[in-house]
Amino acid sequence: AQKVTQAQTEISVVEKEDVTLDCVYETRDTTYYLFWYKQPPSGELVFLIRRNSFDEQNEISGRYSWNFQKSTSSFNFTITASQVVDSAVYFCALSEIASGAGSYQLTFGKGTKLSVIP
Amino acid sequence: GAVVSQHPSWVICKSGTSVKIECRSLDFQATTMFWYRQFPKQSLMLMATSNEGSKATYEQGVEKDKFLINHASLTLSTLTVTSAHPEDSSFYICSARDWRGYEQYFGPGTRLTVT
Repeated sequence: AQKVTQAQTEISVVEKEDVTLDCVYETRDTTYYLFWYKQPPSGELVFLIRRNSFDEQNEISGRYSWNFQKSTSSFNFTITASQVVDSAVYFCALSEIASGAGSYQLTFGKGTKLSVIP
Repeated sequence: GAVVSQHPSWVICKSGTSVKIECRSLDFQATTMFWYRQFPKQSLMLMATSNEGSKATYEQGVEKDKFLINHASLTLSTLTVTSAHPEDSSFYICSARDWRGYEQYFGPGTRLTVT
């Protein structure tokens, strides 16, 4: 069974601070995808990144960066110089790569609520 | 591209009535659509997976007779909450997977309140 753990339920930071959101996953699959989504108060999920299990390179996109470490089954997300607009709930998710009717089902972590204080 | 719409965005209904929620992929064909439910301050929980032209696959604990899912075309899936009760009040989110890729594109969600 797949499982995604986001141990941090809520985090508060002061604007311009850096913040790292942790994500640890469990899966028996050798190939899988990892995702991060942002859910602002409006409720709509915003896709941030997808990472293939074969690709352990870290990625940077503007103020966002992701650290994928297969050895520790972690896929952490760092926001540099946080801004008030970053306040949201962030979900880490895992998806198998398989064929069939149930393929690509996403297993979500419980989410981390980030509050950036001006 | 890759836009998924949901209708209605919010609905209030009386206990015992049925409510239908539509999920449409606007610019791509979705062979697979997923329905999630999210209670306040909780994560998204997968309710069911539907493939066009076949019966939906429900997750354990989800009543298939209560949550009717129809995926009649490659761009439309509907979720009908039958005989709704206050405990069915939740945020329902659909997603659609483009047959060509791996991404799930999420709709904006439907907030259901049952009084």
